[in-house]
Amino acid sequence: KNEVEQSPQNLTAQEGEFITINCSYSVGISALHWLQQHPGGGIVSLFMLSSGKKKHGRLIATINIQEKHSSLHITASHPRDSAVYICAVSGGGADGLTFGKGTHLIIQP
Amino acid sequence: GAGVSQSPSNKVTEKGKDVELRCDPISGHTALYWYRQRLGQGLEFLIYFQGNSAPDKSGLPSDRFSAERTGESVSTLTIQRTQQEDSAVYLCASSLDVAEYNEQFFGPGTRLTVL
Repeated sequence: KNEVEQSPQNLTAQEGEFITINCSYSVGISALHWLQQHPGGGIVSLFMLSSGKKKHGRLIATINIQEKHSSLHITASHPRDSAVYICAVSGGGADGLTFGKGTHLIIQP
Repeated sequence: GAGVSQSPSNKVTEKGKDVELRCDPISGHTALYWYRQRLGQGLEFLIYFQGNSAPDKSGLPSDRFSAERTGESVSTLTIQRTQQEDSAVYLCASSLDVAEYNEQFFGPGTRLTVL
């Protein structure tokens, strides 16, 4: 079974700061997903990647398959970025996604 | 439809009652997934459908849980004789097919509270 670890568990930063959230997993995967969950529970898929790097607006996701590690970066953070960010992996023998516990991000104005 | 929808959005029930949760996937999506998120805990996978077939039901927490899907459309998750430990947000997601590289689109969830 894949173990997905995220760090940090909680992160509070000031508006404008560069944010990094890390994710590591134990077993080879087909794809890694970064999800965003706002208060109220709705989940939005931010990225799905299996190699390299993806960028969307102020968000950047990278993955190193050999090291079984991914990072999510937020540039020029804003209070509206405050949410729980969840790393999840597919493949590695699992049918559905295997999730990390999430990183609770608060961006203060 | 425009996105994955779930109903009801909130359900409060008494211990021992049966509940039925519904998921409408995105039109054309053959794969459908059910997840659960208990308070303060991470998301956990319950079951998936490819079409109306569920190849592996081992993720369901107990035999009180069952799920079915009609064709490549609506799915229902049924919990019989609910217990307080069943209280959670139940999330449904759909994707084009079950290939592991397909993006999953999540519904808003059903918040179940068992008193």
